[in-house]
Amino acid sequence: DAMVIQNPRYQVTQFGKPVTLSCSQTLNHNVMYWYQQKSSQAPKLLFHYYDKDFNNEADTPDNFQSRRPNTSFCFLDIRSPGLGDAAMYLCATSSGAGAGYNEQFFGPGTRLTVL
Amino acid sequence: GQNIDQPTEMTATEGAIVQINCTYQTSGFNGLFWYQQHAGEAPTFLSYNVLDGLEEKGRFSSFLSRSKGYSYLLLKELQMKDSASYLCAVRDWDNAGNMLTFGGGTRLMVKP
Repeated sequence: DAMVIQNPRYQVTQFGKPVTLSCSQTLNHNVMYWYQQKSSQAPKLLFHYYDKDFNNEADTPDNFQSRRPNTSFCFLDIRSPGLGDAAMYLCATSSGAGAGYNEQFFGPGTRLTVL
Repeated sequence: GQNIDQPTEMTATEGAIVQINCTYQTSGFNGLFWYQQHAGEAPTFLSYNVLDGLEEKGRFSSFLSRSKGYSYLLLKELQMKDSASYLCAVRDWDNAGNMLTFGGGTRLMVKP
């Protein structure tokens, strides 16, 4: 089945120790998104890629970086995690921009714990 | 930007009907989505509205009034498994790409 896959599902890191979360998709969608969701809050968009074009949200901290080496894979790098970065990180994909119905498909998420 | 409001929590009884409201303010409306999210899981798509009116899909229906900046999600014949958070999300022409802004979600608890 076509899907969005996130690994690992649960990640534990230490304060200040870099961590990378991964996302892959078999949907061949050209847009990929990373969201941060804290407990009982709405998902907050961090950035997205439209093909290779990277789009950063204005309030996304510099501590968060992303890479998309090809259509299928996208990585979220947290350079120096703080306690406030503990959250669920959701990857999503969609078929493109513009008008019309472009549903976003979400992966299962990676729950990050910072010790 | 957008401002999206929905109730924080609702409680309903198994077998009943519940309506979850969402109001929004946006400068360039380009579609409204409803997602269901069970605790600890990813959001899953429920419905999409871009024109005024009611969209029905089985036990779930979603309504949109663009002039009022208002939508609701209607769940019929509630089941225990419907206990989840329901997220209203709005797409705006001012956003590059297919980006969504999510409301805070409504946590629905279905009781026997």
